[in-house]
Amino acid sequence: EAGVAQSPRYKIIEKRQSVAFWCNPISGHATLYWYQQILGQGPKLLIQFQNNGVVDDSQLPKDRFSAERLKGVDSTLKIQPAKLEDSAVYLCASSGEGRQSGNIQYFGAGTRLSVL
Amino acid sequence: SQQGEEDPQALSIQEGENATMNCSYKTSINNLQWYRQNSGRGLVHLILIRSNEREKHSGRLRVTLDTSKKSSSLLITASRAADTASYFCAVNTGRRALTFGSGTRLQVQP
Repeated sequence: EAGVAQSPRYKIIEKRQSVAFWCNPISGHATLYWYQQILGQGPKLLIQFQNNGVVDDSQLPKDRFSAERLKGVDSTLKIQPAKLEDSAVYLCASSGEGRQSGNIQYFGAGTRLSVL
Repeated sequence: SQQGEEDPQALSIQEGENATMNCSYKTSINNLQWYRQNSGRGLVHLILIRSNEREKHSGRLRVTLDTSKKSSSLLITASRAADTASYFCAVNTGRRALTFGSGTRLQVQP
């Protein structure tokens, strides 16, 4: 079974530039998550999708961050314009349905963003 | 605010020793999960314990849950250098995403 795919692995940009990250979840997983992980901290949820609908985006800075999951499969997360404090690892995760899954999440390797 | 908070923040032990990490949380949960993160990698699920369970084992891992104290512990027995990683607890309170703590950084010296 293929895991969660993310690209790119690394990205370096200057502040005020824009950047986009891509994620392809595990096949058949309806729920997709984007997390932001700042160095030395745990992951913080940015947005959660159920199929192609948004379940929770309460912690997404909507003035600069946007995300979409067209067709309910892969997803993109965009930052425009980037700030220095956006430097972090952006993790994508997916989970299966049903009580048996227990909401166990499967993570991609992440995209490390450096904003200079 | 963070739901799961791990203690200690950092732990250094010798190979073969046991490592114990603790997690405290604030609200009622459906289950609590532990994840491992190697440097520069994504998180990997280790073990899940449901709110009606008190202890669970998986290989060299033992997890306990005390819902009255809103706390959990992860024990890694006979640690190996390959266990060096950050360990996170995450609470599941329902349909929404997991809430992660800030992690315990474990260093196992060979």
